Amino acid sequence: DTGVSQNPRHKITKRGQNVTFRCDPISEHNRLYWYRQTLGQGPEFLTYFQNEAQLEKSRLLSDRFSAERPKGSFSTLEIQRTEQGDSAMYLCANQEGSVGGYTFGSGTRLTVV
Amino acid sequence: DAKTTQPNSMESNEEEPVHLPCNHSTISGTDYIHWYRQLPSQGPEYVIHGLTSNVNNRMASLAIAEDRKSSTLILHRATLRDAAVYYCIPGSSNTGKLIFGQGTTLQVKP
Repeated sequence: DTGVSQNPRHKITKRGQNVTFRCDPISEHNRLYWYRQTLGQGPEFLTYFQNEAQLEKSRLLSDRFSAERPKGSFSTLEIQRTEQGDSAMYLCANQEGSVGGYTFGSGTRLTVV
Repeated sequence: DAKTTQPNSMESNEEEPVHLPCNHSTISGTDYIHWYRQLPSQGPEYVIHGLTSNVNNRMASLAIAEDRKSSTLILHRATLRDAAVYYCIPGSSNTGKLIFGQGTTLQVKP
């Protein structure tokens, strides 16, 4: 499989719990991005990595959110003390080089109840 | 970040060409123009991107105005599977991040 893989596809959690999502990118693409998308809206940028370095974080990424990309391979996005407002689709994407197109994963749909 | 303006929605008949416009008057000289589309419950799918010259690939053509303040995505023969939300996005070559707008919802009628 040469695409971007995200797990799990769906996650239902109770408010206050912690959740972690995983993204397995295309191995040779060194830029990795996380986006969040709520119903009826376009995806919103959260953060991005160049290899293992996290180079930019959106103001949307509160201190309850943390992302890692150890060794520049897969990435994880953790949300601590989830709130109902965190319910959304979380998308991971890879970019081919610095000016190429993105490949998006199918996303993880989070529902906080 | 460059702002874009796209029609909220468009309709097309199957087998006919579709021209999806986008205005990006504040685009910087080094920003590529990206087009992505998104089907319900799926992640965005890359369609095409370009810098100055018109671009063609198996999915679509991209016509970029000479002043780069606007572009048009051309689907040569729309099919029912082309019904999606289409996003036009100036992409920073420095950070690579894409700032999505509302996009254009394309309906294709049989």
